[in-house]
Amino acid sequence: AQSVSQHNHHVILSEAASLELGCNYSYGGTVNLFWYVQYPGQHLQLLLKYFSGDPLVKGIKGFEAEFIKSKFSFNLRKPSVQWSDTAEYFCAVTRNTGTASKLTFGTGTRLQVTL
Amino acid sequence: SAVISQKPSRDICQRGTSLTIQCQVDSQVTMMFWYRQQPGQSLTLIATANQGSEATYESGFVIDKFPISRPNLTFSTLTVSNMSPEDSSIYLCSVQQSSGANVLTFGAGSRLTVL
Repeated sequence: AQSVSQHNHHVILSEAASLELGCNYSYGGTVNLFWYVQYPGQHLQLLLKYFSGDPLVKGIKGFEAEFIKSKFSFNLRKPSVQWSDTAEYFCAVTRNTGTASKLTFGTGTRLQVTL
Repeated sequence: SAVISQKPSRDICQRGTSLTIQCQVDSQVTMMFWYRQQPGQSLTLIATANQGSEATYESGFVIDKFPISRPNLTFSTLTVSNMSPEDSSIYLCSVQQSSGANVLTFGAGSRLTVL
């Protein structure tokens, strides 16, 4: 069964600092990869996704993620965080079967950005 | 993307009772899913709600405990039966967006506290 590991459970950064959140998955086949974000009091939203093609994926609000197949990783990055990026971030994976499939989520990383 | 409404948004329940959560989508969707997010943990898929047939449950979840209905393409319910404090969680409805397979939209969730 596929699994997802997020190594950072709680990250505290100052505004303008750079961000990298780690995500590793265990499935050896072709996968679809996602980052979801949950802002305080709001529902889960899709931040970015990777299906195929360019392994560097750009999402909303200046976030990007790089798929490195050899490392089974899909780390999330942002060059300069803002206070409004304070949220919980979830990495998720599903097998690429061409049809809707079940998402497996990581345990999440809580990001706190201080002024 | 689809807009999902969940009711109730939160509730406090007594041990041994049952509660039904409703999920209403503003457009017809093929795939609907129910997830659980226990305190401090990630999202776990409970089941896929199938229109016109029995739901497909994931390992560790059974129909007697979590009966699901899906009478049409815009509505589903999840019942948490014979609740215990261990059922205290956020329960989320999600749907597959028509714009692409494997991309899910989530409702705001229903936060249940069982005393």
